[in-house]
Amino acid sequence: DVKVTQSSRYLVKRTGEKVFLECVQDMDHENMFWYRQDPGLGLRLIYFSYDVKMKEKGDIPEGYSVSREKKERFSLILESASTNQTSMYLCASSQRTRSSMGTQYFGPGTRLTVL
Amino acid sequence: DQQVKQNSPSLSVQEGRISILNCDYTNSMFDYFLWYKKYPAEGPTFLISISSIKDKNEDGRFTVFLNKSAKHLSLHIVPSQPGDSAVYFCAASAGYSGGGADGLTFGKGTHLIIQP
Repeated sequence: DVKVTQSSRYLVKRTGEKVFLECVQDMDHENMFWYRQDPGLGLRLIYFSYDVKMKEKGDIPEGYSVSREKKERFSLILESASTNQTSMYLCASSQRTRSSMGTQYFGPGTRLTVL
Repeated sequence: DQQVKQNSPSLSVQEGRISILNCDYTNSMFDYFLWYKKYPAEGPTFLISISSIKDKNEDGRFTVFLNKSAKHLSLHIVPSQPGDSAVYFCAASAGYSGGGADGLTFGKGTHLIIQP
C-alpha cells in the first residue's frame, strides 16, 4: 500500500522563524513534490525532485528551499516564514516509469499558520 | 495562464443521480489526465486516470471521458453517494520525458455536494 507521511498535521510558527516540513515515502519512488493548496487557487507546485540531491523549481519557489539527501525523504524549508506562507502544504511522490505515467500519491498535508 | 480549467467551483447533485464534473485544458502536449478527490484536512487521493490514446476509462462507479479535439474531459459518478461529497481536482501531464520528474498541472477544483 502506498504511503506518504508528513511530519506534522498542524503547525503554528511566528513571522521570521525558520520552518522545516518533512515528507517520507515508503514506495521507493524516484520523484517527490511539494505543493501548497489555497482556497480558489488549487494546488500549486513549489519544488520537485527526481533524484537524491536533485531539485527543480516549480511554479512558486520564492521564499522556499528544499533538501533531498535520501531517496525516501524530501524536506521543504521556509527560510524566514511570512504570513503569506500560511497554507496547506502537500507532499507527493511518483514512480519514474512510463507505465505509471506520473501518477502522484499524496501525504495527508500540513496546515501551517504563520502569525 | 491557466492550462487546466475547472469552471464550476461547486456542484450540487441529489443522491443516486449522476454527477458530471468537467475539465478543459489548453496545452496540446498533455497526454495523460487524472482525477483526484480531496476531503478537508486530508491529502488528495488518486481516483482515476486516462491516457490520450483512449477516450474512455471506467472503474466501478467512476468513468472518465476524454475528447481530445475539444480538449475536454469529464468525470461521471453513477450513482452519486453521500461519501462522494468532496473537492475534485482535474490534473494533466505532458508525459514522461525520459529524464526528470513528471509534474502535474492541476485545475482549481470543483466542490461536489451530494444532497440526500
